[in-house]
Amino acid sequence: GAVVSQHPSWVICKSGTSVKIECRSLDFQATTMFWYRQFPKQSLMLMATSNEGSKATYEQGVEKDKFLINHASLTLSTLTVTSAHPEDSSFYICSAGTSTGGRLTQYFGPGTRLTVL
Amino acid sequence: AQSVAQPEDQVNVAEGNPLTVKCTYSVSGNPYLFWYVQYPNRGLQFLLKYITGDNLVKGSYGFEAEFNKSQTSFHLKKPSALVSDSALYFCAVRDTGNTPLVFGKGTRLSVIA
Repeated sequence: GAVVSQHPSWVICKSGTSVKIECRSLDFQATTMFWYRQFPKQSLMLMATSNEGSKATYEQGVEKDKFLINHASLTLSTLTVTSAHPEDSSFYICSAGTSTGGRLTQYFGPGTRLTVL
Repeated sequence: AQSVAQPEDQVNVAEGNPLTVKCTYSVSGNPYLFWYVQYPNRGLQFLLKYITGDNLVKGSYGFEAEFNKSQTSFHLKKPSALVSDSALYFCAVRDTGNTPLVFGKGTRLSVIA
């Protein structure tokens, strides 16, 4: 089946530093990548959608200058949390999507837990 | 815009008993409905989906869900719960084929031996 990996699986950083999270589709090409954020005991909130080679589309309330998304190829997307602060601590989950016959199928990565001290 | 409601934060059930995790949805068109399970510090695992066809959908690990258009519900069910079913369950919906999934807040299922 389709596998999506994320790296790192967890990261601890100091306040003010930047952190990059990678999302890869291992055995398929993803036309679209999605980034979700999950707060403790809460649901997944869609942050942004990106298509390969295009700028990401951010959901309302998500700062695009803080959460930089790059979708350089059909198998790789990165999320960079710039100048991270403790309130950015969260579980970030990427999803790689393929479309067949006009229907999107999303495959989810295992998530990255970010802790900002 | 589409939305999903999972009215229960927590569901407790004894092992061997049937379980139900509730989900209601709101979409402007025909819904695409999904259930996912999440174990601690893990990503989402797909359980089942409804797009068209039979209202009763069978999925992984013995789970099933029933689409009820009149009640706009898509409750997840299993005839006999296992302790290993204890996890966080998410219902999700999209209203067209190509929009991203919108998730409910999740329901924590605890199966007690």
